[in-house]
Amino acid sequence: GAVVSQHPSRVICKSGTSVKIECRSLDFQATTMFWYRQFPKQSLMLMATSNEGSKATYEQGVEKDKFLINHASLTLSTLTVTSAHPEDSSFYICSAGSGAAYEQYFGPGTRLTVT
Amino acid sequence: AQTVTQSQPEMSVQEAETVTLSCTYDTSESDYYLFWYKQPPSRQMILVIRQEAYKQQNATENRFSVNFQKAAKSFSLKISDSQLGDAAMYFCAYKDSGYALNFGKGTSLLVTP
Repeated sequence: GAVVSQHPSRVICKSGTSVKIECRSLDFQATTMFWYRQFPKQSLMLMATSNEGSKATYEQGVEKDKFLINHASLTLSTLTVTSAHPEDSSFYICSAGSGAAYEQYFGPGTRLTVT
Repeated sequence: AQTVTQSQPEMSVQEAETVTLSCTYDTSESDYYLFWYKQPPSRQMILVIRQEAYKQQNATENRFSVNFQKAAKSFSLKISDSQLGDAAMYFCAYKDSGYALNFGKGTSLLVTP
């Protein structure tokens, strides 16, 4: 089956620094990738949708300059949290789609803690 | 905007028994997909079952089945012969021609021995 990886699985950073999270589709080409944020005991909130080679589309209320998304290849998307603050601490999940209308495969998630 | 409602924040079932998780949704589209995802403590999202709206037959995957009522916009998940490993958060999700999934708030399922 289709596999999506995320790296790192956990990251702790200091307030004011930036952190990059990678999302890779390992055995298929992902034309579209999605980034979600999940707070404890809550649902997944879509942050942005990215298509390979084009700018990401951000959901309302998501700061584009704070959450930089790059989808430079068909197998890799990155989320960079810039100037992180403690309120950015959360669980970030990516998913990838290969083109079929319903297919979407999830990565294992990245737990970000900002101290 | 489409909304997905899961009205049961928590459910409990005894091992080997059957439990039904509820989900309703709101849409004006006629063509769409509905999903149930399981999120265990590892937090990896696992697809449990998928239903295409144009199909009248309810989807089934082993012990998991759905009751899809299109007119009522209802999409419940039935878990038969519940196992300890079924304990998790369950999310109902909707997707139409847009690519993104729209999730409900989730139901936490506890399975007791």
